[in-house]
Amino acid sequence: GENVGLHLPTLSVQEGDNSIINCAYSNSASDYFIWYKQESGKGPQFIIDIRSNMDKRQGQRVTVLLNKTVKHLSLQIAATQPGDSAVYFCAEMNTGGFKTIFGAGTRLFVKA
Amino acid sequence: KAGVTQTPRYLIKTRGQQVTLSCSPISGHRSVSWYQQTPGQGLQFLFEYFSETQRNKGNFPGRFSGRQFSNSRSEMNVSTLELGDSALYLCASSLEGRGLSGELFFGEGSRLTVL
Repeated sequence: GENVGLHLPTLSVQEGDNSIINCAYSNSASDYFIWYKQESGKGPQFIIDIRSNMDKRQGQRVTVLLNKTVKHLSLQIAATQPGDSAVYFCAEMNTGGFKTIFGAGTRLFVKA
Repeated sequence: KAGVTQTPRYLIKTRGQQVTLSCSPISGHRSVSWYQQTPGQGLQFLFEYFSETQRNKGNFPGRFSGRQFSNSRSEMNVSTLELGDSALYLCASSLEGRGLSGELFFGEGSRLTVL
């Protein structure tokens, strides 16, 4: 099947530290990218998005960076908290299309 | 505003049976997408519906089908179940399902176990 970021790494960070989660996407035609967070027993939840005409976007404690040259996305979480423990997915889509393609995900553990 | 509702939450079937899963999108959302989530394959796109029309589909066999009703509610069906169909099936709704309003709102999923 189609996938973005085929590897499922695990990231373990200390509470209060910054976290960086990386993702490689596959389709150079994709122009809209989203990060989702999935907690145990729940569906994925939107965190932040970025359009291809931007290379950085900031939200509350989160920043997404986009490097179209190497087809790479990253999610930075500042002052990571125990509630940030979850699986994080990057996703891509084309604004003219009707499907969102998800990466394999990264599991984030936050140590108290 | 109520979120995306999926039923049933859990179900157990045996090989060869069929199953129908239901999804009620957020009020006002016209696009419904379905995903299969497994530990080994992550979130795999099944299909997307808008105004009762399938606009896109993923790489799944014809045993997987879906439909959308005039009230935007959607169902997916899997026939002749196989062990490998055991997964969490997630439904997501969005306003129109395309880029600028493409944020997906997910339900909690229907967990299917095939024995």
